[in-house]
Amino acid sequence: DIQMTQSPSSLSASVGDRVTITCRAGQSISTYLNWYQQKPGKAPYLLIYAASSLQSGVPSRFSGSGSGTDFTLTISSLQPEDFATYYCQQSYSIPWTFGQGTKVEIK
Amino acid sequence: QLVESGGGLVQPGGSLRLSCAASRFSVSGNYMSWVRQAPGKGLEWVSLIYIDGSPYYAASVKGRFTISRDSSKNTLYLQMNSLRAEDTAVYYCARVESNYWRFATWGQGTLVTVSS
Repeated sequence: DIQMTQSPSSLSASVGDRVTITCRAGQSISTYLNWYQQKPGKAPYLLIYAASSLQSGVPSRFSGSGSGTDFTLTISSLQPEDFATYYCQQSYSIPWTFGQGTKVEIK
Repeated sequence: QLVESGGGLVQPGGSLRLSCAASRFSVSGNYMSWVRQAPGKGLEWVSLIYIDGSPYYAASVKGRFTISRDSSKNTLYLQMNSLRAEDTAVYYCARVESNYWRFATWGQGTLVTVSS
């Protein structure tokens, strides 16, 4: 199984801040990397697929980059509705695996 | 677009069948999956069914869970047998887009609690 490791596990930030979350794969996964946002009590929501492609309807302040083993999710200017937990997911090989999550909290 | 049902409290060793009713798209014409989330924990992929009906499972559920679908009801199922305490989770069904195998559409989830 491909292990996915996110960092940090949590962070505190203010509205308007630039936020970066990192995801590392245990082996090369090319660009088969997706990012999801999850708010408490809600289902996850797809933000980014193929490492850097913005899912339809997702605000442009979200962006993704990386390939191989190292990936980042960036929120250019944090908005109140962005406080949530973010997960990366590799879709390179089954079993698909997720990172442990990064909780973005209000400073 | 996806509505799960069938969750509840079940004793260890028991069985439960989850359903996921789809609207506005065909379950049989899409790749469909189950993902679960234990209380306070992260996401775990459980199972996938291909358009051709081929099933795939996480090692943790293989041999105990069965994914299936009914095209006449446009519904996805997860039959869960020999349930264990560690199967306690919210179970989400999701439509998978094969372009980079992303979970594009999610249901609201249904809670399964395995406890005596």
